[in-house]
Amino acid sequence: GAVVSQHPSWVICKSGTSVKIECRSLDFQATTMFWYRQFPKQSLMLMATSNEGSKATYEQGVEKDKFLINHASLTLSTLTVTSAHPEDSSFYICSASGTSTEQYFGPGTRLTVT
Amino acid sequence: GENVEQHPSTLSVQEGDSAVIKCTYSDSASNYFPWYKQELGKGPQLIIDIRSNVGEKKDQRIAVTLNKTAKHFSLHITETQPEDSAVYFCAASILTGGGNKLTFGTGTQLKVEL
Repeated sequence: GAVVSQHPSWVICKSGTSVKIECRSLDFQATTMFWYRQFPKQSLMLMATSNEGSKATYEQGVEKDKFLINHASLTLSTLTVTSAHPEDSSFYICSASGTSTEQYFGPGTRLTVT
Repeated sequence: GENVEQHPSTLSVQEGDSAVIKCTYSDSASNYFPWYKQELGKGPQLIIDIRSNVGEKKDQRIAVTLNKTAKHFSLHITETQPEDSAVYFCAASILTGGGNKLTFGTGTQLKVEL
């Protein structure tokens, strides 16, 4: 099946700094990528949807200036958490879809802001 | 927007027994219903899905049923094994040909006891 990778798998950063998370589709072209956030023992909450070459569409309540999403190619999307604070600590998961209806999920990135 | 409710939140069964997880959705336009298994610290993995033109789908020990009139769908796992222990999420989506947003249920922690 299709494979989606994320890097890094975990990251610790200091409050006020920015951190970038990469999401790659390894064996297919992802026309659409999604970014989710998941707090412990909770469901996945969609943050934004990005289409290659277009600006991301953010869900209500998600600050687009804080969570910068770039989808510059059909195999790579990045999420940058700017000026991170402890409340941004979470599990960030991306997914990608190409021509099929299925979304393929990455393994997630654990962000801890100290 | 779509709202997906999922029950139960936790489910404990004996190895070999069956497990049933139920979800309801609110938007009658939803026509795609995937189920995901998420192990601790990992991204969700698709285990089975069903479209609204089908009432039931089976894949070995896993089956999903859909009742469009009542707007609910269920996951059935037979002959449960310890490796089935994980968090299961249902989701609903409206297929639009690409980049289909998923609305997730709240998750069910399944524990299969020896």
